[in-house]
Amino acid sequence: DIVMTQSPDSLAVSLGERATINCKSSQSVLYSSNNKNYLAWYQQKPRQPPKLLISWASTRESGVPDRFSGSGSGTDFTLTITSLQAEDVAVYYCQQYYSIPVTFGGGTKVEI
Amino acid sequence: QVQLQESGPGLVKPSETLSLTCAVSDFSISSSGYYWGWIRQPPGKGLEWIAFMYHSGSSYYNPSLKSRVTISVDTSKNQFSLRVSRVTAADTAVYYCARIPLDPYRSGRFDYWGQGTLVTVSS
Repeated sequence: DIVMTQSPDSLAVSLGERATINCKSSQSVLYSSNNKNYLAWYQQKPRQPPKLLISWASTRESGVPDRFSGSGSGTDFTLTITSLQAEDVAVYYCQQYYSIPVTFGGGTKVEI
Repeated sequence: QVQLQESGPGLVKPSETLSLTCAVSDFSISSSGYYWGWIRQPPGKGLEWIAFMYHSGSSYYNPSLKSRVTISVDTSKNQFSLRVSRVTAADTAVYYCARIPLDPYRSGRFDYWGQGTLVTVSS
C-alpha cells in the first residue's frame, strides 16, 4: 500500500495569511505514460463530507477559489491557501489514486 | 448536479451484517466513465476507502476489508449498496458513498459525495 503522510497535523493561521500543508507518499504517484500525478486534495468542514478541491496534484475543481493551489510531483506535494478566509477552517486530506488500495493522508486541521 | 444519499440502519449488533444503500439522483449510474464507491470515517479519525464498482460489474476492494465486504449495483433503481459482514466495534464509522471518475490507466478520486450516515456497532 502507498502510505500518505501529511504535515503538520494542525496549524493556526491568521486571517489573510498563508497556510501550507505538506503531503508525502511512500512511493511515486507520477505515472510516466501520461506524466500525471495521481494526487488529490480534499477539504472537510465539521459535520460535512469531504469536498474535492484539487485533482492531478495541481488542477483546481470547478468553483474552487483560486486562493487554493496545489503543487509538487512524484512523492512530495503541497496544498497552499493564500490569504486564509474564515470559511477555510477545515481539515484537509491528500489522497493518492495511483494504485489500489487508494489511500488518504491523516489530515491537517487548519484553524484561525 | 449529482446527488448521492446513503440510507440504512444506524445501529448494528456485533457479528451481524451492516447493509447500506446509496441512491443516486440527477445522474445515471449506468453512464460510462464512472465508478461508484464507499469510504468510511471512524468518529474523530481519518478516511478509509472500502470499495468501488462499475455498473457493468467490475469491482475493486480494499484488501484490508475484502473478506467481509460486498458491493453491488442496481441500475434499475439507480442505486448501489454495501454489505459488511461480521462487524465489530471497529466498524463504527460514518459511511460515505461517492462517485469516482474512471481513469484508463490507474485508479480514481472521489468527485461527488453523499452526506454520510453514522453506523454504530453495539449490542
